[in-house]
Amino acid sequence: GAGVSQSPSNKVTEKGKDVELRCDPISGHTALYWYRQRLGQGLEFLIYFQGNSAPDKSGLPSDRFSAERTGESVSTLTIQRTQQEDSAVYLCASSLDGNQETQYFGPGTRLLVL
Amino acid sequence: SQQGEEDPQALSIQEGENATMNCSYKTSINNLQWYRQNSGRGLVHLILIRSNEREKHSGRLRVTLDTSKKSSSLLITASRAADTASYFCAGGGYGGSQGNLIFGKGTKLSVKP
Repeated sequence: GAGVSQSPSNKVTEKGKDVELRCDPISGHTALYWYRQRLGQGLEFLIYFQGNSAPDKSGLPSDRFSAERTGESVSTLTIQRTQQEDSAVYLCASSLDGNQETQYFGPGTRLLVL
Repeated sequence: SQQGEEDPQALSIQEGENATMNCSYKTSINNLQWYRQNSGRGLVHLILIRSNEREKHSGRLRVTLDTSKKSSSLLITASRAADTASYFCAGGGYGGSQGNLIFGKGTKLSVKP
């Protein structure tokens, strides 16, 4: 596709439910990143995939958070047993490679946990 | 943790004026990037400056980097109402990280027509 796409755009869920967020990176981009942005805050790094290497999960805030990526394509971020503090915009980005070069962001998924 | 810090947190100017935003960081970087965000959604890459560069221009944007002071500035000249957005700096190459950028909290710029 022309850019990074994310779905859903908005998600409202009840505390305790699981949610799955999807990211389609730009075709050919080997690196994919997930970030979390709370209201009025900066971006918080969550996880980074680069090619076939083991993902860098150092930013995941708890074991309720996990992410997968199929090859160099789609990624899903799963949050289990959601809590109200998980409410945020979840942003996905991709880059041509992982050498801290320009990242191209999707529009984000706005998650609200009631 | 966030290692980039933008200053000021908020800036309000009139159309036509110049806007200057500053960014400081704590550890060594390979490059520093500036991004723009409208309405809390996706970020758009504006410009990247490498650690061996001191200044870079792109249209109405001018970025400087001072690695000795661990700081960068973004200047937007002849601002327009459409420049209203949040601006983030992001450093690449912190602490041996292989790929992720470390973002600051951003400067919220408001350009009044």
